[in-house]
Amino acid sequence: EAGVAQSPRYKIIEKRQSVAFWCNPISGHATLYWYQQILGQGPKLLIQFQNNGVVDDSQLPKDRFSAERLKGVDSTLKIQPAKLEDSAVYLCASSTTSGRAILQGTDTQYFGPGTRLTVL
Amino acid sequence: KQEVTQIPAALSVPEGENLVLNCSFTDSAIYNLQWFRQDPGKGLTSLLLIQSSQREQTSGRLNASLDKSSGRSTLYIAASQPGDSATYLCAVRLLVGGNQFYFGTGTSLTVIP
Repeated sequence: EAGVAQSPRYKIIEKRQSVAFWCNPISGHATLYWYQQILGQGPKLLIQFQNNGVVDDSQLPKDRFSAERLKGVDSTLKIQPAKLEDSAVYLCASSTTSGRAILQGTDTQYFGPGTRLTVL
Repeated sequence: KQEVTQIPAALSVPEGENLVLNCSFTDSAIYNLQWFRQDPGKGLTSLLLIQSSQREQTSGRLNASLDKSSGRSTLYIAASQPGDSATYLCAVRLLVGGNQFYFGTGTSLTVIP
């Protein structure tokens, strides 16, 4: 089974520039998550999709961040314009969110390798 | 809001030693708790998942325990090896309010050969 794919792996940009990240979840996984992990901290959820609908984007800075998941498969996360404090690793994860797994409490998320963003 | 704390932030042990990593959380109404491993430049790898009704899970040299009433979990690593060097993250998911993970800040483990 192929894992969660992300690209690019690394990106360096100057502040006020735009950047986009791409994620391809595990085939058949209905739920997709984007996390931001700042150095020395645990990942923080930015947005959660169920198929192509948004479930939770309460922690997404909507003035500069946007995300979409067309056709309920791949997803892109965009930052425009970038700030210095956006330097972080952006992690994508997916899960099946099957009814049985939820009932059993065994639903888990599978993470991609992440994209390391440096804003200069 | 769920707060997750991990102690210690960093740990260095000689090879072969047994060790314990600690995780505490503020809201005991959890759905499950999961321990992850993160290697530099890589994503998170799930190690153990404990359902809210369980008290512990074991996988090889790893054993994770859960005490919901006290808001604590421990990850026990037996006979540590240099390959165990990584950052270990604890994450909890609540019964309500969506199924996002609340992560701790992690424990950076170094096993010295």
